[in-house]
Amino acid sequence: KNEVEQSPQNLTAQEGEFITINCSYSVGISALHWLQQHPGGGIVSLFMLSSGKKKHGRLIATINIQEKHSSLHITASHPRDSAVYICASSGGGGYQKVTFGIGTKLQVIP
Amino acid sequence: DTAVSQTPKYLVTQMGNDKSIKCEQNLGHDTMYWYKQDSKKFLKIMFSYNNKELIINETVPNRFSPKSPDKAHLNLHINSLELGDSAVYFCASSHEKISGNTIYFGEGSWLTVV
Repeated sequence: KNEVEQSPQNLTAQEGEFITINCSYSVGISALHWLQQHPGGGIVSLFMLSSGKKKHGRLIATINIQEKHSSLHITASHPRDSAVYICASSGGGGYQKVTFGIGTKLQVIP
Repeated sequence: DTAVSQTPKYLVTQMGNDKSIKCEQNLGHDTMYWYKQDSKKFLKIMFSYNNKELIINETVPNRFSPKSPDKAHLNLHINSLELGDSAVYFCASSHEKISGNTIYFGEGSWLTVV
């Protein structure tokens, strides 16, 4: 059974700081997903990656398949980045057989 | 234009009642999902449907029955509601060719059983 662990579970940062959230998983996967859940509850898919690195605006996601580890980086953090960031691994295509991490609650203070 | 919409957003009901949550997606996706997020904010997949066919049913009590009348809809029916069913239920959809398996979530339905 795949386990997905995230760290830290809670993170407070000052505006402008560089933020890193880590995710590790226990078995081989086909894809790793990063999701963002807003304080109001809505969930947005940020990245899906199976190798290397992806960038979207100030967000960067990386994955190391050999080490079974992924990181989500936020550069020049802003209070609007405050949210819960969820890592999820999928063993098959799409979101079949997906395992979610517990999430990292990020608060960015002005 | 909401891509994945689910109704109702909030639902408070008594134990033992039967209720439904509806979900519709207008993205042309072929796969739809129901997820449950418990009080500890942990997301778990409940069901996955591909082209109206059930492909995942993850240890969900049979009081929960998904119904997919067509590829754009996946409704969740819950019979004999229990206190432990209180949670946020998220509908989602994806398509390998259209969205590269990027998943789109609905806004969630907050169910409270009293």
